[in-house]
Amino acid sequence: QKEVEQNSGPLSVPEGAIASLNCTYSDRGSQSFFWYRQYSGKSPELIMFIYSNGDKEDGRFTAQLNKASQYVSLLIRDSQPSDSATYLCAVCGTGNQFYFGTGTSLTVIP
Amino acid sequence: EADIYQTPRYLVIGTGKKITLECSQTMGHDKMYWYQQDPGMELHLIHYSYGVNSTEKGDLSSESTVSRIRTEHFPLTLESARPSHTSQYLCASSERQGAYEQYFGPGTRLTVT
Repeated sequence: QKEVEQNSGPLSVPEGAIASLNCTYSDRGSQSFFWYRQYSGKSPELIMFIYSNGDKEDGRFTAQLNKASQYVSLLIRDSQPSDSATYLCAVCGTGNQFYFGTGTSLTVIP
Repeated sequence: EADIYQTPRYLVIGTGKKITLECSQTMGHDKMYWYQQDPGMELHLIHYSYGVNSTEKGDLSSESTVSRIRTEHFPLTLESARPSHTSQYLCASSERQGAYEQYFGPGTRLTVT
């Protein structure tokens, strides 16, 4: 079992819709959770991180964390074509080991 | 401006050559990492360091070596490049304390012919 699991997609949403990206993790001792965006051929860019149960909002992005279910999600409101990228979920687990998921490919259709 | 730098950005080199990929950061971070990523594939951790004179191998078996003589500098060396080393190499850094978020450099795209 992988430490971090993501649906590889591809996920397609129309412009203006809400995109929902999901991630599960296996280490119950994990404390910090991260979402990165990676455009094709580029390096990952940190979007936001969360470490408390509940929601954390930053502009059009909302991260949601449910530690009991070991589940993290990222919502992108008013999706734009420029949001088309691969989104990586990352978890800082026990012992401060950092684990990345394989990423979900998102396409926003104009 | 605090940032993380990688050079060269692109490198095409012949089999058997020795190469060093440079990574420097001005973010004051203690931790540094090297990842390997093929196009459309997941990140693989190949080396990491928690500070000066500290280096560890990551999850992916790699024929490369690293050194950490200065806090801001974490070079990766391939003694004898092979076509199987063709990939993108990403350097990242993070603070020792806090949420431990990693910040990435722009990457080096290596092609071994």
